[in-house]
Amino acid sequence: NAGVMQNPRHLVRRRGQEARLRCSPMKGHSHVYWYRQLPEEGLKFMVYLQKENIIDESGMPKERFSAEFPKEGPSILRIQQVVRGDSAAYFCASSPRLAGVGYQETQYFGPGTRLLVL
Amino acid sequence: TQLLEQSPQFLSIQEGENLTVYCNSSSVFSSLQWYRQEPGEGPVLLVTVVTGGEVKKLKRLTFQFGDARKDSSLHITAAQPGDTGLYLCAVYQGAQKLVFGQGTRLTINP
Repeated sequence: NAGVMQNPRHLVRRRGQEARLRCSPMKGHSHVYWYRQLPEEGLKFMVYLQKENIIDESGMPKERFSAEFPKEGPSILRIQQVVRGDSAAYFCASSPRLAGVGYQETQYFGPGTRLLVL
Repeated sequence: TQLLEQSPQFLSIQEGENLTVYCNSSSVFSSLQWYRQEPGEGPVLLVTVVTGGEVKKLKRLTFQFGDARKDSSLHITAAQPGDTGLYLCAVYQGAQKLVFGQGTRLTINP
């Protein structure tokens, strides 16, 4: 019973390159969340997706960042033209379909992708 | 300003000692969660507290939700090196958006 999988676990990019982070949710989970963790800080929400839909992107920077969760395949967090300030750990979490309005499902976190921008 | 303030930010103690870490806010929450994150890994949910004044125990860990549901504490009895990690409290903001505190980084020395 595999948990949330993220790859790569470590990614090094030079300034101006693109970073693609992948997340495969737990089996049976149709909701995906991305969080960013800067050194010595807690996690900050970025985006919440269901299959083929972005539900809440209130935490996404306005430029250079995008996320998708296609009908088939993993969720992708894409960072274009990376800058040093993008260096962080990026965590994906997944949850099953919500049981009802106002009900909050437990989110299960992956091991993260550590992005280093040189 | 942080919605959740955790204290202390860092704590280093000897094996066998007891400790308490705190998660405070001026807001009222319907529930609050505690996570532990080990180096190189993602956060793992330890407990969810829901009712004001609620106390939950997980082996040597005791979690309490404040009566007014604005704060919470985590008490560890007879700490062990395996308890080392980053302890995060979190609340839901909206349907599924988790908001985390900055965490308490705990080190237990053998």
